[in-house]
This record gives sequence, C-alpha cells and structure tokens, in this order.
Amino acid sequence: EDQVTQSPEALRLQEGESSSLNCSYTVSGLRGLFWYRQDPGKGPEFLFTLYSAGEEKEKERLKATLTKKESFLHITAPKPEDSATYLCAVQAQGTGGFKTIFGAGTRLFVKA
Amino acid sequence: NAGVTQTPKFQVLKTGQSMTLQCAQDMNHEYMSWYRQDPGMGLRLIHYSVGAGITDQGEVPNGYNVSRSTTEDFPLRLLSAAPSQTSVYFCASRTGVGYTFGSGTRLTVV
Repeated sequence: EDQVTQSPEALRLQEGESSSLNCSYTVSGLRGLFWYRQDPGKGPEFLFTLYSAGEEKEKERLKATLTKKESFLHITAPKPEDSATYLCAVQAQGTGGFKTIFGAGTRLFVKA
Repeated sequence: NAGVTQTPKFQVLKTGQSMTLQCAQDMNHEYMSWYRQDPGMGLRLIHYSVGAGITDQGEVPNGYNVSRSTTEDFPLRLLSAAPSQTSVYFCASRTGVGYTFGSGTRLTVV
C-alpha cells in the first residue's frame, strides 16, 4: 500500500538549534516529492519539489534532500518565524493516471 | 492576482443540512481539487477536475458532489451534512510543480 510517514509528529527547538524533519515513503512509480509549509488557519504553501534521488533544493534556512526511500527537510539555525507545520507529499503513478499522497505533517515550534 | 479563493472561512451546519463550499482561481489552471484535513491525518482527496466539464472521485468522495462549468470555479456540495464531515476543507489548483491552496473552510456539523 502506498504510504507517506512523517516524523517526528512535533519538534521543539531553541532558536539557532539546527535539526531535520523526515518523510519516508513507500510508493511505486515516484513522480515527485513535495514539501509544504502550513501556518495555523491557512492553507499549505509550496516550498520545494524533488524528482530524483540525490537531488537537493535550498531556500533560506531550509534544505530538502531526497533518497530512494525518504526525504529530509533540514532547518539550519531556525528562527521563531519558522514555526509551522511542514507537510510532505508524494506524487506517484496510480491506476488511470497519477495520485498525490500527503503525510500527516511535523509541527515545528522554535522558541526565542 | 488572488490565487485560490475559498468561501466561507467558517461554517456551522446542522445534521442533514446541505451547503456549497465555493472555490475560485484566477491562474487559468486546468487541474483543481478538494481536500479535507483532519487532525493526525494527511490531506485526503475528495474530488478533482482536470478541466471544465470533467470531474472524478478521489479517496473520500462519499457525501460530496462537485461540478466544473468553468475553468475558474470548482464548488463542493455537501448533500446531507453529517458530524463525520466536520473538518477543514481546502481547494487547490495545480501547476506543473506543485499545488496552490486556498485558505480553507472550517466546517462544523452539529
């Protein structure tokens, strides 16, 4: 069964304390992996798309990496404004087309 | 450029009532979709459309209807609301690289 699992469910960091969020997946026919940021009361906001193992993307303090089984979202020297829920989604081949499967997300809290 | 606009932001319904959640996009995207988001679960696809006049079911379609008469609009109809439909609903349109989401509708069915 196609599945996307994010860990940890919640992560509390001090400002400046670097860490990583994990997104592991089991799908057949990976077409792409997406990372989104979601602030409370708002819709998810697109961050990155990764297409193949070994690919990396960076944006400010965030860096996303991809292997054949998982993706990491590395947060370097986080600030309180990085507090949000980070969602991972995988687009895979499905019957009659493709499908997108979302993970449940990691809630990140960064304390000043 | 407003992106994806959803209305209303909040709604309380009584069991058995019907309503329509509105979604409009101004990016000329062919693909639009509706998701629901529940605590501890990933976004789940309700219905989607690949263009005007074309709709299809997603993972959790029961109790919901959609139509797509124009590229811009993709309303979601709840036929007879049930407490299990209490959730946050997101409309999204897709470009080649990812989804653009609306700000959501928080629906409570009592």
